Amino acid sequence: EAGVTQFPSHSVIEKGQTVTLRCDPISGHDNLYWYRRVMGKEIKFLLHFVKESKQDESGMPNNRFLAERTGGTYSTLKVQPAELEDSGVYFCASSPTRQRGETQYFGPGTRLLVL
Amino acid sequence: AQSVTQPDIHITVSEGASLELRCNYSYGATPYLFWYVQSPGQGLQLLLKYFSGDTLVQGIKGFEAEFKRSQSSFNLRKPSVHWSDAAEYFCAVGASGGGNKLTFGTGTQLKVEL
Repeated sequence: EAGVTQFPSHSVIEKGQTVTLRCDPISGHDNLYWYRRVMGKEIKFLLHFVKESKQDESGMPNNRFLAERTGGTYSTLKVQPAELEDSGVYFCASSPTRQRGETQYFGPGTRLLVL
Repeated sequence: AQSVTQPDIHITVSEGASLELRCNYSYGATPYLFWYVQSPGQGLQLLLKYFSGDTLVQGIKGFEAEFKRSQSSFNLRKPSVHWSDAAEYFCAVGASGGGNKLTFGTGTQLKVEL
């Protein structure tokens, strides 16, 4: 069974440009999470989808970030326009249920560098 | 608000030595606690988790962790470290509300000397 995949693995863009990150969860997992790790800091929650609906987007930093999950399958996270402080590693995770204690399966992350 | 503290940013141990990685949490009720490991180029992999029952939890790769409510700790241990254990280790606590979002510590980078 394929794990969580993320694309691209790395992205280097200039300030003001747009970047779109993609996450493909494990097949059948209704729950999809986005997290971000800024260098030297902790991994922070961004948002949570249940199927195609946003369950919790309390961690989204500002309106430059737009997440979608069309058809409840893969998800995209768009940053527009990108700022220097958006640099970091963006992780996606999926789980079959949203029950507390359910294991979340993480992808390898997308390393974003904004110059 | 819940929080997780991992006091050690970097730890170096010799292969074959024992290992303990510290994790302290702040949480109002019974916490759901996790340890994840990230090897270079890989995603985070779950080592073990605790939410009830026996306070000593066994995980994969020979790791174990002990939940101590009185100390608000959930330290990760391994009796004998292998060179392949070199990685970054993250402690996390699950949210109390619906959704199961995780709050992570800053991570501990483990280096293993041969």
